[in-house]
Amino acid sequence: SQTIHQWPATLVQPVGSPLSLECTVEGTSNPNLYWYRQAAGRGLQLLFYSVGIGQISSEVPQNLSASRPQDRQFILSSKKLLLSDSGFYLCAWNARGNQPQHFGDGTRLSIL
Amino acid sequence: GQQVMQIPQYQHVQEGEDFTTYCNSSTTLSNIQWYKQRPGGHPVFLIQLVKSGEVKKQKRLTFQFGEAKKNSSLHITATQTTDVGTYFCAGDQGGSEKLVFGKGTKLTVNP
Repeated sequence: SQTIHQWPATLVQPVGSPLSLECTVEGTSNPNLYWYRQAAGRGLQLLFYSVGIGQISSEVPQNLSASRPQDRQFILSSKKLLLSDSGFYLCAWNARGNQPQHFGDGTRLSIL
Repeated sequence: GQQVMQIPQYQHVQEGEDFTTYCNSSTTLSNIQWYKQRPGGHPVFLIQLVKSGEVKKQKRLTFQFGEAKKNSSLHITATQTTDVGTYFCAGDQGGSEKLVFGKGTKLTVNP
């Protein structure tokens, strides 16, 4: 069966520090991969998605970036975190664009 | 761009009461999906509707897809405390690799 892993579960970072969140999927090949951010009590904001290795689509201009160095690995990065980057970051995958998405457990990021 | 509106934003009910959340898209959808996010958890897929006028049931949950494929609803009969969470609809316009999520309806159930 397919599984998705995200880490870390929680992270506290100072303003201006770098960020790297990793997401990996097991049990499937060539998945679509997604990064979402959810502010407290709010909806899901799509940040990036990828349909293949090295292919990244950005939805919201910001100081975050994403990379897909391997088929089942999706990384969210920032060179310098802002206070507004705080939130709940969720990685998700599906087999094709119109198929159900399966989410990881998420990373709660607090910026101090 | 495509927008998916969801109402209400919040709903408080007494245990045993019914609950409905509505989802409206600015464009015709090829399919609509519903997710549930428990407090502190991640969204979990509930169901996908594809056909115009489709109705699907999961125990006390009834999902409908409008005839014009631009709106949908989720109805819960006789809510229980286990139904607490935020319910999201998400639409796919077709030919896109992404879903557009509504902002969700947060359901609280008083025992």
